[in-house]
Amino acid sequence: SYELTQPPSVSVSPGQTARITCSGNALPKKYAYWYQQKSGQAPVLVIYDDSKRPSGIPEKISGSSSGTMATLTISGAQVEDEADYYCYSTDSSGNQRVFGGGTKLTVL
Amino acid sequence: QVQLQESGPGLVKPSETLSLTCTVSGYSISSGYWWGWIRQPPGKGPEWIGSIFHSASPYYTPSLESRVTISIDTSKNQFSLKLTSVTAADTAVYYCARDSPSIGLYYMDVWGKGTTVTVSS
Repeated sequence: SYELTQPPSVSVSPGQTARITCSGNALPKKYAYWYQQKSGQAPVLVIYDDSKRPSGIPEKISGSSSGTMATLTISGAQVEDEADYYCYSTDSSGNQRVFGGGTKLTVL
Repeated sequence: QVQLQESGPGLVKPSETLSLTCTVSGYSISSGYWWGWIRQPPGKGPEWIGSIFHSASPYYTPSLESRVTISIDTSKNQFSLKLTSVTAADTAVYYCARDSPSIGLYYMDVWGKGTTVTVSS
């Protein structure tokens, strides 16, 4: 079965840039998506089609993808950016829809 | 704007059937879009369960396909999830969501707030 791999945790100091990676064999052919999930809340889409931001998502959040790795970047991270971040994509057929294991971002 | 709300029992006994409904407001589900269910076990990442379109057959994740049925009721603007023969491993927060199309895949762009389902006797 298809898998997306993320680091379990990323930690940065306030004001630094946080980068969260997601690797998957089909990413050269399929877009990556990123969801932010704060404690006790539903996931919120923050990046779609590798690098596009939905309305209302601040410019400090950006996405990129190269080869088998997608990256979510949060510039000038603040305490309010602390959350679990999940990447999402599909296998090459588009039918197997999977999330990465999630990355806990800590800003301290 | 479109909003989704899950409803159903919060406690289900082992071996019984889990049944949830998602009510969509702000958009007619017969106008388009696929609609899906996702679950998230405690402390784990989300897992896509399956999706349905008003005029097409649903499709499911292979690991749950034998136990899952997703149906749609356009007259009530709702879609539903049934999961049979549940065990403790099915304990999770269950979300409904709207599927948006992209090139060669679908992704979830609008989510409900989720409902917690516990499987226990």
